[in-house]
Amino acid sequence: DTAVSQTPKYLVTQMGNDKSIKCEQNLGHDTMYWYKQDSKKFLKIMFSYNNKELIINETVPNRFSPKSPDKAHLNLHINSLELGDSAVYFCASNQQQGTYGYTFGSGTRLTVV
Amino acid sequence: GQQVMQIPQYQHVQEGEDFTTYCNSSTTLSNIQWYKQRPGGHPVFLIQLVKSGEVKKQKRLTFQFGEAKKNSSLHITATQTTDVGTYFCAGVSGTYKYIFGTGTRLKVLA
Repeated sequence: DTAVSQTPKYLVTQMGNDKSIKCEQNLGHDTMYWYKQDSKKFLKIMFSYNNKELIINETVPNRFSPKSPDKAHLNLHINSLELGDSAVYFCASNQQQGTYGYTFGSGTRLTVV
Repeated sequence: GQQVMQIPQYQHVQEGEDFTTYCNSSTTLSNIQWYKQRPGGHPVFLIQLVKSGEVKKQKRLTFQFGEAKKNSSLHITATQTTDVGTYFCAGVSGTYKYIFGTGTRLKVLA
């Protein structure tokens, strides 16, 4: 039983393309997140949704747009991909923001060439 | 903005040696969490500390939250090769947005 699942696991694409990453959780959690982990392993929060409502929107280029059709899903669409977007993107969820530990998905390694 | 730094950035130890990573926040934290990320894997939640001065143990792992709630430590006794990975602290203050520390990469030499 996968708790937080992301697809695809790997994504290799050319600069300028548009791509999406999907995330689903079956834990019944209220809050979902997108984190970016760069080559130095720094984990930076990008977005957070609580029950389909955007609650955290960090300083992220407009090319990144999250969408939460329901509280179990949080997708990330990226327009006009750039070389600097290459990273591992993690989806995560928890029961209540600021109170409980996160459950992370296995990550999507995005490589922009 | 809030910053969470960890030291050391890297640590190589012989199997059986102890290991400690330290986490320091620029602001007072409501609580702090610790995560472990194996090479090629994803962060896995280990524990959460809430009270000032709190100490919690999980087998060979000891977690401590500072009295001023601005720092924390993770100590591993008698490391094993299975302890290899990157250890992150994550602190929250105010906005319920967890800021992850810079991480400590641990290598255990057999």
